[in-house]
This record gives sequence, C-alpha cells and structure tokens, in this order.
Amino acid sequence: ELVLTQSPGTLSLSPGERATLSCRASQTVDSDYLAWYQQKPGQAPSLLIYDASRRATGIPDRFSGSGSGTDFTLTISRLGPEDSAVYYCQQYGGSHWTFGQGTKVEIK
Amino acid sequence: QVQLVQSGAEVKKPGASVKVSCKASGYSFSGNYIHWVRQAPGQGPEWMGWINPSSGATTYAQKFQGRLTMTRDTSISTTYMDLSSLRSDDTALYYCARQVRTSYYFDYWGQGTLVTVSS
Repeated sequence: ELVLTQSPGTLSLSPGERATLSCRASQTVDSDYLAWYQQKPGQAPSLLIYDASRRATGIPDRFSGSGSGTDFTLTISRLGPEDSAVYYCQQYGGSHWTFGQGTKVEIK
Repeated sequence: QVQLVQSGAEVKKPGASVKVSCKASGYSFSGNYIHWVRQAPGQGPEWMGWINPSSGATTYAQKFQGRLTMTRDTSISTTYMDLSSLRSDDTALYYCARQVRTSYYFDYWGQGTLVTVSS
C-alpha cells in the first residue's frame, strides 16, 4: 500500500513569507495523480492543486505545486492570514486513494 | 450549483450499524463517481471506497471489506454509506466527495456527518 508522508508537521510563518510543504510517497505516484487540499476548522477539505501542478478553479497563483515520481511540493509564495489551515496531499494508484497526514500552517 | 448534502449526526453503540446519506444536486448524478472519506478527530482523511452511481459498481478499501456497503438510489440522486460492526475507533466525520470525470481527485465535498460510537 502506498503511503504519503508530509513534512513538516507544523509550519509557523509570518504574513508575506513563503511556505514550502513536502509530500513524499513510498512508491512512484501513477502519472503524477497527486492533489493538494486545504482544510480550515469545521470545513471539508477544499481542492487547491491537481495532477501535481494544476491549480483548481479560483485558486490564486500564490499557490503552486511541483514534483513528480515520489517527491512533491506545495508552495505558498506570499502567506496571508487566510492561509492558516491544514494542507493534505492525496494520490491515486491501483484503484485506491491515499491521503497524507497533513501539514498545519500557522500564521504568526 | 453543485451540492452534496449529507444526513445528520448519529450516535451508535459498539456492534451496531450506521447508514449515512449523500444527496447530490446541480449536476448529472450518474456522471461522476461518489467516494466516501472519513476523518477521525485530529487525523488526516482516510479513503473508504467509491460507488459508480450509474451502474452501482463499488470498490472498497481493503480495511473495510466485509463491513462496508455503498448503494445508490438514482430516483432521488442519493448515495448511501452503510458501515456495520461499529467500534469506538470508527468515531469520525464521514464525508462524501465527488470525483471529477477526467482525473482522480475530488472537486466537491459534502458537509460531513459526525458518527460517534460509544457505549
């Protein structure tokens, strides 16, 4: 079973700083079927990035995804207070879906 | 607009079953797979399985084989998730989510249904 490991567990940064979140897979992710979601307290996850690097509709260009194979990155170029949330990566492979355990982004 | 509206919170005793519904609107119900994902308190999401609303075909994660059943009623655009032999570690928020047609991610989610298993 493919496992996704996210790091760091928590990221504490100031407004305007750059956040770099990592998602590492235990096996190669099929065709880069890797997505990123944002989850705020009391809400369902919301899609940010799909197919490793494509922004979902309405997502600002401050959010970008990169990577392939087993190593993927979500970058938030200029943090705003509204970006305080938990971010999850998710992959598809072999008719199964897997989520990472999340990275919490705190805004100082 | 696309909406997935789930049924309300449930409290169950260990060993019981729970059935959660997810009503779709704003799109062609048969056109997109519906997945169920759960999230225990303070944990990441956990994928449970999917149902094809058109054919009724299902695939379940290995962990839930034998006690998870997904069904649908096309006349009311609703899918159901039935989990049996409940244990305390099944306490979680249960979400339905719509898979996009052309890839393998989820573009719309229900609001979540809290299932609490407690004696």
